[in-house]
Amino acid sequence: GQQLNQSPQSMFIQEGEDVSMNCTSSSIFNTWLWYKQDPGEGPVLLIALYKAGELTSNGRLTAQFGITRKDSFLNISASIPSDVGIYFCAGQLRGSQGNLIFGKGTKLSVKP
Amino acid sequence: KAGVTQTPRYLIKTRGQQVTLSCSPISGHRSVSWYQQTPGQGLQFLFEYFSETQRNKGNFPGRFSGRQFSNSRSEMNVSTLELGDSALYLCASSLDRGANNEQFFGPGTRLTVL
Repeated sequence: GQQLNQSPQSMFIQEGEDVSMNCTSSSIFNTWLWYKQDPGEGPVLLIALYKAGELTSNGRLTAQFGITRKDSFLNISASIPSDVGIYFCAGQLRGSQGNLIFGKGTKLSVKP
Repeated sequence: KAGVTQTPRYLIKTRGQQVTLSCSPISGHRSVSWYQQTPGQGLQFLFEYFSETQRNKGNFPGRFSGRQFSNSRSEMNVSTLELGDSALYLCASSLDRGANNEQFFGPGTRLTVL
């Protein structure tokens, strides 16, 4: 089946640092979504992208829809402790309503 | 506006039993999707309903089924439970209008099969 390659799998952050993560696929998507999931809860939508090349911000979060339509990245600027959690990218293929394909997630933890 | 709600939040069943999970979408949302989340496989699409019709289906066995009611509420059923069905089952709703494909998730139902 379709797969999204999300990297890195995990990373440690120190308060104030910028964070980057990305997703790539062999397929062309018409929608990219980024979610954050905290323990015991469902994923929360952070940013939605609909056009190739689109760059969208939500506070300290910025995401881009790749020109090739096969990739997307998410940046978090000036990270704070509440940014810890698992971030997922998700893509939707044309004509595949309601069916999101998810990456395996990037786990953000605080540096000890 | 209330978010997506799922009931029950936690469920413990034994192998061979069947289970029904319920999902109430955000008011006005007509599309409901179901996903299974496990540590090994991540989030995987089960099926999606729109206007009481299943529009898309993932690669799960026929033991997994669902339905949607006229008020857009949805249920999923798993029959003849197996140990491997232990997972977090997530429901998501979407306005599904034009290019807007944003899905909003509920808190999930944690199913444990013993």
